[in-house]
Amino acid sequence: GAGVSQSPSNKVTEKGKDVELRCDPISGHTALYWYRQRLGQGLEFLIYFQGNSAPDKSGLPSDRFSAERTGESVSTLTIQRTQQEDSAVYLCASSLRGQGRSYTFGSGTRLTVV
Amino acid sequence: ELKVEQNPLFLSMQEGKNYTIYCNYSTTSDRLYWYRQDPGKSLESLFVLLSNGAVKQEGRLMASLDTKARLSTLHITAAVHDLSATYFCAVVDNNAGNMLTFGGGTRLMVKP
Repeated sequence: GAGVSQSPSNKVTEKGKDVELRCDPISGHTALYWYRQRLGQGLEFLIYFQGNSAPDKSGLPSDRFSAERTGESVSTLTIQRTQQEDSAVYLCASSLRGQGRSYTFGSGTRLTVV
Repeated sequence: ELKVEQNPLFLSMQEGKNYTIYCNYSTTSDRLYWYRQDPGKSLESLFVLLSNGAVKQEGRLMASLDTKARLSTLHITAAVHDLSATYFCAVVDNNAGNMLTFGGGTRLMVKP
């Protein structure tokens, strides 16, 4: 597609439920990143996928968070047993490998846990 | 661990004035990005700076990079209301799989 597509754009869920967020990167982009942005805050790195390499999961805040990516296509971020502190905008970005590449961000999924 | 610090965190300025936002980072990097974010929106790429001494300009915004000082600046010339947004710098960590590490952002308000 022309840009990074994320769905849903908004998600309201009850505390304790599981949610799944989806990111569809730009076609051909080998790298994919998930970030979290709490209200009025900067971006926190969550996880990074590069091609077929093992993902860098160092930013995942707890074992309730997991992400998958099949090859160089769609990625899903799953949050189990959601807590109110998980409320945030979850942003996905993709990029090409190589010097000077740009990172293109999606519009994000606004997650509200009530 | 790479740390990126921006200052100021909040900036209120009058239209027509000039100001500079600073971005310091803690380890060597060969790429630095500036992004703009409007309320409720995603991030819009402004500049990519790839080498020491790099300077890029777009309209009233000019970004520069000093890799020796580990410092980038975003200079605003003759600010206008439309520039009101939050500006983030982000640095690539060469030792961490080319991950982007973001500064905390500078919220800019330009008053008429």
